[in-house]
Amino acid sequence: QITLKESGPTLVKPTQTLTLTCTFSGFSLSTNPLGVAWIRQPPGKALEWVAVIYWDDDKRYSPSLRGRLTITKDTSKNQVVLTMTSVDAVDTGTYYCAHQSYPNQHSDYWGPGILVTVSS
Amino acid sequence: DIQMTQSPSSLSASVGDSVTITCRASQSISPHLNWYQQKPGKAPKLLIHTVSSLQRGVPARFTGSGSGTDFTLTISSLQPDDFATYYCQQTYTSPYTFGQGTELDIK
Repeated sequence: QITLKESGPTLVKPTQTLTLTCTFSGFSLSTNPLGVAWIRQPPGKALEWVAVIYWDDDKRYSPSLRGRLTITKDTSKNQVVLTMTSVDAVDTGTYYCAHQSYPNQHSDYWGPGILVTVSS
Repeated sequence: DIQMTQSPSSLSASVGDSVTITCRASQSISPHLNWYQQKPGKAPKLLIHTVSSLQRGVPARFTGSGSGTDFTLTISSLQPDDFATYYCQQTYTSPYTFGQGTELDIK
């Protein structure tokens, strides 16, 4: 059974760095061809794909956020960490991590999401 | 980035109706088109991947079709549980962009 869960701060001040952790179970990110992605959703708005890390440590980032994002994995802990620097109010929203299948890349399992508010 | 445009943005229908949602990509993306359903306060749920493959456990009243740049999601015989927001997503190339969503509500 595949599960994912996001954790991290729910309130961050502008200009600070946001660090979110996705802890998963039911699959391995070291041996199976797949990825773990981050997707976010501002309140009342559409989904926005953010980043993905693959089993072979390949990484992809949203160009609109590139330069502010780092995605890493710790296969011993079954975790994926997303770091976003210089946060602003526009980064407020629910952040989801998801199991991204390979090779089609669809997100077939999702965490419940974590609402992050950027405010002073 | 590949732009995904859904239409309509919102739709009202009754239980038992059949509805179709359209998704257009800014370039050819076949067959890398997926559909998700999202209810308020919940994570999205994968319905269909690679244009027309039904995800396990999803009712057969959901069907996907299309090719190239134009795709559709059809829901036949709407059930009360189907009233939600639907998103298309292309996974042809990164960034794996989503459409703006179609909100389906009860007439």
